[in-house]
Amino acid sequence: AQKITQTQPGMFVQEKEAVTLDCTYDTSDPSYGLFWYKQPSSGEMIFLIYQGSYDQQNATEGRYSLNFQKARKSANLVISASQLGDSAMYFCAMRVTGNQFYFGTGTSLTVIP
Amino acid sequence: KAGVTQTPRYLIKTRGQQVTLSCSPISGHRSVSWYQQTPGQGLQFLFEYFSETQRNKGNFPGRFSGRQFSNSRSEMNVSTLELGDSALYLCASSAGDREKPLHFGNGTRLTVT
Repeated sequence: AQKITQTQPGMFVQEKEAVTLDCTYDTSDPSYGLFWYKQPSSGEMIFLIYQGSYDQQNATEGRYSLNFQKARKSANLVISASQLGDSAMYFCAMRVTGNQFYFGTGTSLTVIP
Repeated sequence: KAGVTQTPRYLIKTRGQQVTLSCSPISGHRSVSWYQQTPGQGLQFLFEYFSETQRNKGNFPGRFSGRQFSNSRSEMNVSTLELGDSALYLCASSAGDREKPLHFGNGTRLTVT
């Protein structure tokens, strides 16, 4: 069975601090992709970062990095130097063979000034 | 390059009516997926179309249907609306490659009264 789990319904972080959003996944597919999306209150889903199952290095995109631990089946998102505009819902997603995507339930991040 | 365009942005319908939502993908993207997002259930996959063929289908009743045209534009139809169909409906397109993300539209907010 394919599953994405985000266990943190809500998180708070002080502005300019770093925060880690947890994501674990389960799949029997040997080849998969892991994605993180941001959804502000306006509703649009914004792609942040991608990690392939065969990638040896952790992905980074500006202030976003993905802490990929394949043996633990975890793909945590790290946001460095949080900004007020980072307040949003964050979704972890997994793509498996056949272009099927699975999404977690999301984590609501609030950045405190 | 224009993003994914969904119309309309908001819809109010009455129970028992039917509704059609439209999605224009990013130019060159042949895969279009539909998701239903509700506060209680999160993001749920409805179906995916690729080159006018339904390639994947989620676990939704037959009242939910879709199609894709030769120009990759897609429509989703919900017949005999129920109160529980009230949700944000998100359309996403992708280039189909494993490492390529889904690109989402702004969604259609459907309210059933």
